[in-house]
Amino acid sequence: GQNIDQPTEMTATEGAIVQINCTYQTSGFNGLFWYQQHAGEAPTFLSYNVLDGLEEKGRFSSFLSRSKGYSYLLLKELQMKDSASYLCAVRADYKLSFGAGTTVTVRA
Amino acid sequence: DAGVTQSPTHLIKTRGQQVTLRCSPKSGHDTVSWYQQALGQGPQFIFQYYEEEERQRGNFPDRFSGHQFPNYSSELNVNALLLGDSALYLCASSLKSGRSTGELFFGEGSRLTVL
Repeated sequence: GQNIDQPTEMTATEGAIVQINCTYQTSGFNGLFWYQQHAGEAPTFLSYNVLDGLEEKGRFSSFLSRSKGYSYLLLKELQMKDSASYLCAVRADYKLSFGAGTTVTVRA
Repeated sequence: DAGVTQSPTHLIKTRGQQVTLRCSPKSGHDTVSWYQQALGQGPQFIFQYYEEEERQRGNFPDRFSGHQFPNYSSELNVNALLLGDSALYLCASSLKSGRSTGELFFGEGSRLTVL
C-alpha cells in the first residue's frame, strides 16, 4: 500500500508564497497528483508529475523527486480564494491513493 | 459536456439499513472509482470498476459492494450501515490507458449520515 504524509495545516498572507510538502512510500509508483478541495466541494485537479522535476502552471508549480519519495506544491501570489485543502495523491497501477490533505488558510 | 454526476447529494439513514449511491461518469470515460471521505480526512479508495468488473479494492469490508453498467455508470451499495459509515462518498471517473488510468474527475459527492 501507500504511506503518504503531508502537513495538516499551513497559514500564509495574501500575496505570499507557500510550499506544501508531501512524502510517500509506495510500490509500483506511476505518478503523483495534487488536488485542491474547497470546503464542501469535490476535489479538483491541479497538477501531475510522473518524471523528476518541476511542472509549472500559472501560479501553481509542483516538483517531484522519485528517488526521495518527495513532492511539493508551490502556490505563488496567494489569493484569498486559495484557502482550501490541498491533497497529495500517488498513483500505483490502477488506483490513486490520497494523503490526509493540508488545509491552507490565506489571511489578508 | 456533463461532468461526473452523483445522486443523491445528501441522505440520512439509520444503523442497519442499506444504501445505494449512483454515479454517471464524465462523457468519454470508462472507469469509475469510489472513495469515502470522512470529515477532515483525505479520500480513501473503496474500489474501481472497469468493463463492468471490480478491478481494484481498498481496505473496505464486504458490506461495500458495487456495480458498473454497460453505459459505464456505477452504483455503490453499503449494507448493514454503521455510524462510522457517515462520510462524503465521492465518485471519480477516468479513462483507462494501458496499465494505468488518467486524471480523475470527481463528482460533487453524496453525503451520507447514519444515525
